[in-house]
Amino acid sequence: EVQLVESGGDLVQPGGSLRLSCAASGFAFSDYSMNWVRQAPGKGLEWISYISGSDDTIYYADSVKGRFTISRDNAKNSVYLQMNSLRAEDTAVYYCARDGGVTMVLGVIYPDYWGQGTLVTVSS
Amino acid sequence: QPVLTQPPSSSASPGESARVTCTLPSDISVDNYNIYWYQQKPGSPPRYLLYYNSDSDKGQGSGVPSRFSGSKDASANTGILLISGLQSEDEADYYCLIWASHAYVFGTGTQVTVL
Repeated sequence: EVQLVESGGDLVQPGGSLRLSCAASGFAFSDYSMNWVRQAPGKGLEWISYISGSDDTIYYADSVKGRFTISRDNAKNSVYLQMNSLRAEDTAVYYCARDGGVTMVLGVIYPDYWGQGTLVTVSS
Repeated sequence: QPVLTQPPSSSASPGESARVTCTLPSDISVDNYNIYWYQQKPGSPPRYLLYYNSDSDKGQGSGVPSRFSGSKDASANTGILLISGLQSEDEADYYCLIWASHAYVFGTGTQVTVL
């Protein structure tokens, strides 16, 4: 069974830092790219970062570029999100999501499984 | 990044059909994108429902009832999620998703209410 468990969410002051973790199990972790997606309270979903299975391709949303860093440790079946220079608008539930879906014709991957999320609150 | 526009809300009675649209900006064509659909209930993470590119390239998520289906309206540059035979358990938020220019882009989300 695919499981993704996020941790590390907390209350942090503006300008502070936080590191989120996502522990994966039930699949060959290194074969899959992973994403972080967030959802501010009462708002919609926002994709923020992608990392390939081999760690050689990384993308960020403009809203977090230069402040957040995604990484992974395939030996520990985990993906991480280092968040620096946090702002009030970064307050959200942060989900990790696996790119495990594959389209039939061209084999394009897409997110299929999501963790339960971890809450980050940025406030003084 | 492009903005995918969804109506904020949609409602229908049990047994009827609910249609959720996802309109792409005019500078990109829905014909060139797979549209992925997700369901989210309060307090839960999103759940993958299905993807649609064409009638010959589409897929249903594991355990997702066949009354959820996808399509496109190229004339309106729109992806469509159709929920047929609406049930009370279908009351949720629905999001479309595309991959564009090295980024995932979510739609603005639609709250579906079962009357």
